[in-house]
Amino acid sequence: EIVMTQSPATLSVSPGERATLSCRASQSVSSNLAWYQQKPGQAPRLLFYGASTRATGIPARFSGSGSGTEFTLTISSLQSEDFAVYYCQQYNIWPETFGQGTTVDIK
Amino acid sequence: EVQLVESGGGLIQRGGSLRLSCAASGFAVSNNYMSWVRQAPGKGLEWVSVIYSGGGTSHADSVKGRFTISRDNSKNTLYLQMNSLRAEDTATYYCAREGVSTGAKDLWGQGTLVTVSS
Repeated sequence: EIVMTQSPATLSVSPGERATLSCRASQSVSSNLAWYQQKPGQAPRLLFYGASTRATGIPARFSGSGSGTEFTLTISSLQSEDFAVYYCQQYNIWPETFGQGTTVDIK
Repeated sequence: EVQLVESGGGLIQRGGSLRLSCAASGFAVSNNYMSWVRQAPGKGLEWVSVIYSGGGTSHADSVKGRFTISRDNSKNTLYLQMNSLRAEDTATYYCAREGVSTGAKDLWGQGTLVTVSS
């Protein structure tokens, strides 16, 4: 199965600063990659699909990029509600697999 | 309102069985790929099972032969029958809809906790 590796494991950022999260696939997943946000006690929420297409209602400060094996999620100016865990997921090859997550916390 | 509501979780002994339900509203489960995704306490997300709009199913190797996904179109409800439960099956189980045009999981339930005691 495809292994998704996210880095860093934890990212400490001050409000208003930029955050850059990485996701690497063990083999090409084309652009069949999604990003999810999960807050404590809540279900995941879809942020991006197709690597760079924003899901409904996702603010423009979030952007996604990449294809093949390297992907990036960028939050241009962190708001208080953005502190959460972020997961990438490939859905190109069965079985679909998730990264281990990146925790974005307050510096 | 478009939503998914899971139920059926609880405390179960190792080797036991449990059936989870996921009631959908605002859309038809039969028109979408529907999955179960689980999350062990403090851990990441793991895909478990999917049922395709055509009725075919697929399961992760970790649950194959023990778990069965199904749906009742008349009740607009998704199910996960879990047999021969193990301690490592302890997790919050989410049902999720795969968007027809996205390929990603665009709608999630709130989750139901399954705890397998040894």
